[in-house]
Amino acid sequence: SAVISQKPSRDICQRGTSLTIQCQVDSQVTMMFWYRQQPGQSLTLIATANQGSEATYESGFVIDKFPISRPNLTFSTLTVSNMSPEDSSIYLCSAPTPDGYTFGSGTRLTVV
Amino acid sequence: AQSVAQPEDQVNVAEGNPLTVKCTYSVSGNPYLFWYVQYPNRGLQFLLKYITGDNLVKGSYGFEAEFNKSQTSFHLKKPSALVSDSALYFCAVRVLYSGAGSYQLTFGKGTKLSVIP
Repeated sequence: SAVISQKPSRDICQRGTSLTIQCQVDSQVTMMFWYRQQPGQSLTLIATANQGSEATYESGFVIDKFPISRPNLTFSTLTVSNMSPEDSSIYLCSAPTPDGYTFGSGTRLTVV
Repeated sequence: AQSVAQPEDQVNVAEGNPLTVKCTYSVSGNPYLFWYVQYPNRGLQFLLKYITGDNLVKGSYGFEAEFNKSQTSFHLKKPSALVSDSALYFCAVRVLYSGAGSYQLTFGKGTKLSVIP
């Protein structure tokens, strides 16, 4: 099944700055998904990214805060903008596979 | 609303003993159910899934899960726990996100499994 390379694996950022997270899939996938996992919490879907169209955001998430790019069928980025300490989380990308869904290794973000 | 629940935040079990991590679900239609494991500082790894067929599903690392439609449960089991099984386990159900028009996973809150030597 598909393998996703996600980077960076972790980062410590100053409040007010932005961080872009990248996910590269080793095969073409129709959709990619972005999740947030806050400390001690489960995974929450941020948005669904299709190639060639704007991402679809879930309730509580907006494009200005979490802009997403999907330039082709193997790549996507998520930017966390104007960061605050409340954005400290693990961010994961995901893609559908014949088995179900595969996940990147996650980006552990700490905002100070 | 479609959801999945993991009633236990933590499960402790002695090495060599059988383990069970509980999951119940609420969906309309036939459920597609998954178990994932997350080790510290790692992403999610797929363990097993139930879509249709035999109610007992066998997965990776000796894990299995039993689908029980009448009890709307999908408990994860292993006959003999290993210390290396200590991790965070997530149950998930595939749901249709109408906004995106796509199927995606909704996760339980996770259960931390600690296997004691």
